[in-house]
Parts: sequence; structure tokens; C-alpha cells
Amino acid sequence: DIQMTQSPSSLSASVGDRVTITCRASQSVSRYLNWYQQKPGKAPKLLIYAASSLQSGVPSRFSGSGSGTDFTLTISSLQPEDFATYYCQQSYTTLALTFGGGTKVEVK
Amino acid sequence: QVQLVESGGGVVQPGRSLRLSCAASGFTFSTYGIHWVRQAPGKGLEWVAVISYDGSTKYYADSVKDRFTISRDNSNNTLYLQMNSLRAEDTAVYYCAKDPGQWLLLDYFDSWGQGTLVTVSS
Repeated sequence: DIQMTQSPSSLSASVGDRVTITCRASQSVSRYLNWYQQKPGKAPKLLIYAASSLQSGVPSRFSGSGSGTDFTLTISSLQPEDFATYYCQQSYTTLALTFGGGTKVEVK
Repeated sequence: QVQLVESGGGVVQPGRSLRLSCAASGFTFSTYGIHWVRQAPGKGLEWVAVISYDGSTKYYADSVKDRFTISRDNSNNTLYLQMNSLRAEDTAVYYCAKDPGQWLLLDYFDSWGQGTLVTVSS
């Protein structure tokens, strides 16, 4: 299976900060990389698909980049509603879809 | 709008069986693949299984292969997950999640249900 490693596992930030989360795949996944946001007690929500495409309805402060094995999710100006846990997920192989371990964004 | 509603969770003893359901509405259910994804308490997300729009293709995570069976009833817009030989490590919230690809699998998840909790304990 393709292993997905996110860093950091948690971070503290303030409203207005620029936040960057990294996701690394154990082998190339081309651009088959997606990002989700999950708030406590809620289902995940799709933010970014195909590495850099913004899901409909998601604010433009969220952006994704990367290809191959290294990807980033950037929040350009952190808002109060953005404090949550973020997961990357590779969709390169249907036989074993895998997620990163998550990055919790907390209030500084 | 897309709505997915899971049901069937509960407390079950190790080795026993349970069947989860996912009722879908707000989209043409019979043209989209659907996944099950689970999350153990306090842990990350784990993909469990997927079924194609017509039920002809099914894939499973190694951790559930030969114990879980995914199926669908397109006449009733419902997805199922039959879980047999349950283990303590199957304890999790189980989500059904829609694949965005119409007639094909794109293997990510654009809509999710609210989840149903399965607890495997004696």
C-alpha cells in the first residue's frame, strides 16, 4: 500500500496566519491527491481534489499544490472556522485508498 | 442536495455480525460509486470498501477482506455493508461517502454521511 505521511501532526496558529500542511507519499501518486477538513464530531469535507482543484463552495483561501510524492495544503489567511483536522488522501490506486494521519490546526 | 444517512450501528460482541445501511437522496444514486470509510475513536480515517454504480465492481481494504461485503440496491437508493466475524479493532464510526465520478470511479469522496458508530465489545 502507498503510505501517506503528513507533517506536522499538529500546529498552533492565529487568525490571519498563513498555514501550510505537507503530505508525502511513499511512491509517486502523480496528482491523485485530495484534501479534507474534519471538525470534531462531524464528517470530513472535501476541500481540494486532484492536488490543486478547489471543490465547489470551498473558500479561495484554501489552495493545494504538488505532484509525484510531495504535496502541500495552504490556508492563506486562517479564519476562526478553519480550526480543524486536515487529512490528505491518495486516489492513485483503487485497490488501496489511503489517508495521511491528519494535521490538527489549533488556536495559538 | 446530496444526502447520505447511515444506520445500523450499535454494540456487538466479537465474532458476531452486523449490517449497516446508507440511504441516499438528492442525486441519481444508480450512476455513482459509493465508498465506506471508517474512523476509530480518536484516530484517523481508513478506507474500507467501494462499490461501482452498478454493483459489478467491488474492492476492499485488506483489513476487512473476506469478512465484510459491500452491496447496493439501486431500486431503493440504499448501500449496505455486511460485517461478519467482527473484531475489537473494527470499532469505529462508519461513514458512507459518494464518489464524484458518474459511471466511473474517481476514488475520492465529495459527500459524506454523518456516520454510524459500531462498537465491538464483550
